[in-house]
Amino acid sequence: GAGVSQSPRYKVAKRGQDVALRCDPISGHVSLFWYQQALGQGPEFLTYFQNEAQLDKSGLPSDRFFAERPEGSVSTLKIQRTQQEDSAVYLCASSFLAGPTGELFFGEGSRLTVL
Amino acid sequence: RKEVEQDPGPFNVPEGATVAFNCTYSNSASQSFFWYRQDCRKEPKLLMSVYSSGNEDGRFTAQLNRASQYISLLIRDSKLSDSATYLCVVNLSGNTPLVFGKGTRLSVIA
Repeated sequence: GAGVSQSPRYKVAKRGQDVALRCDPISGHVSLFWYQQALGQGPEFLTYFQNEAQLDKSGLPSDRFFAERPEGSVSTLKIQRTQQEDSAVYLCASSFLAGPTGELFFGEGSRLTVL
Repeated sequence: RKEVEQDPGPFNVPEGATVAFNCTYSNSASQSFFWYRQDCRKEPKLLMSVYSSGNEDGRFTAQLNRASQYISLLIRDSKLSDSATYLCVVNLSGNTPLVFGKGTRLSVIA
């Protein structure tokens, strides 16, 4: 498809499990972002890549969160030892422009529920 | 003061009404401003950018007031399909990622 694709769409994890969320951005988009959206809140920035370089990871809430984009295309967000407070929708977005301020095209998100 | 603040609503308005939302931001040096729309359980999508001189797109008008550090979105002749959450988005400074407000919920009622 032409849009940003995320998988899985829904993930239920037991507390303490590791999860991996995948994002396939729009082809040719240089910038890729991960945002976390809790229920009733706006998206909160987690991390940003320009091609394969992770230029900003200031929003990652703890060292249990790790993101990579090794070939400058697909990205994976990994959460280790999940906690209940990690339950949220994880949104991936890509942008044609280099830099973090261009129009963002979002995927439908991965909804994580930690029991 | 939060970086980007919006009234969460909900705003319940009848079809055909005019409704306006405001959003305040904390950094006077902010350069870029946007309104995104998010339907229930869907992803956010860009509605419109906000330019210094104000801009209009059909029934939607966006304005920027730098002196008071707020942006606004005006929707005229509301349609049922306008029901959604409207997210205020600001580039607060320099090369920093876009910051989203919590959103304002709008319900247009027949």
